[in-house]
Amino acid sequence: AQKVTQAQTEISVVEKEDVTLDCVYETRDTTYYLFWYKQPPSGELVFLIRRNSFDEQNEISGRYSWNFQKSTSSFNFTITASQVVDSAVYFCALSEKSAGGTSYGKLTFGQGTILTVHP
Amino acid sequence: DTAVSQTPKYLVTQMGNDKSIKCEQNLGHDTMYWYKQDSKKFLKIMFSYNNKELIINETVPNRFSPKSPDKAHLNLHINSLELGDSAVYFCASSEKNIQYFGAGTRLSVL
Repeated sequence: AQKVTQAQTEISVVEKEDVTLDCVYETRDTTYYLFWYKQPPSGELVFLIRRNSFDEQNEISGRYSWNFQKSTSSFNFTITASQVVDSAVYFCALSEKSAGGTSYGKLTFGQGTILTVHP
Repeated sequence: DTAVSQTPKYLVTQMGNDKSIKCEQNLGHDTMYWYKQDSKKFLKIMFSYNNKELIINETVPNRFSPKSPDKAHLNLHINSLELGDSAVYFCASSEKNIQYFGAGTRLSVL
């Protein structure tokens, strides 16, 4: 069965610090997708990134970067020079092929990491 | 021009009542979902429909019944509401395996 673990329940940093959110996953599939979502205090879920299991290249988008390592089943997320607006709950998620093997279906989410950035 | 919209945003009701939450997406996606987020922020899938057909049905009490009149809509009806149903319910739709979520419906059962 698939499982996603975000061991850090809460992280508190001061503005301009760099912060890394950890994500470890378990799956039996060789083909799968990994995601990060942001849930700000307003409550909506915002898609940040999707990575497929065959693409281990790291990705950078502005102050955000992601490190995918298949060898350790990890997909970590780093925010550089954090800002107060980064305060949110961040979810890592995994999607495998459906039971029929033809399409991807449900997201299995980690428990979420509450990030608080202080001014 | 909201992509995935849910109504209502807040729903407060008494135990035993029946209520519905509506979801509509204008993205042209074929697949839609319902997720439940509990008080500890844990998100878990409930249902998924692909082009009006049920494809995922997790272990959810049969008091919960999804209905998809067309591929742009996936509504959630809940019968005989219980205190434990209090949660935030999120609708989502997907394309190319990326799920886009609505703003959520906060259901409070008193």
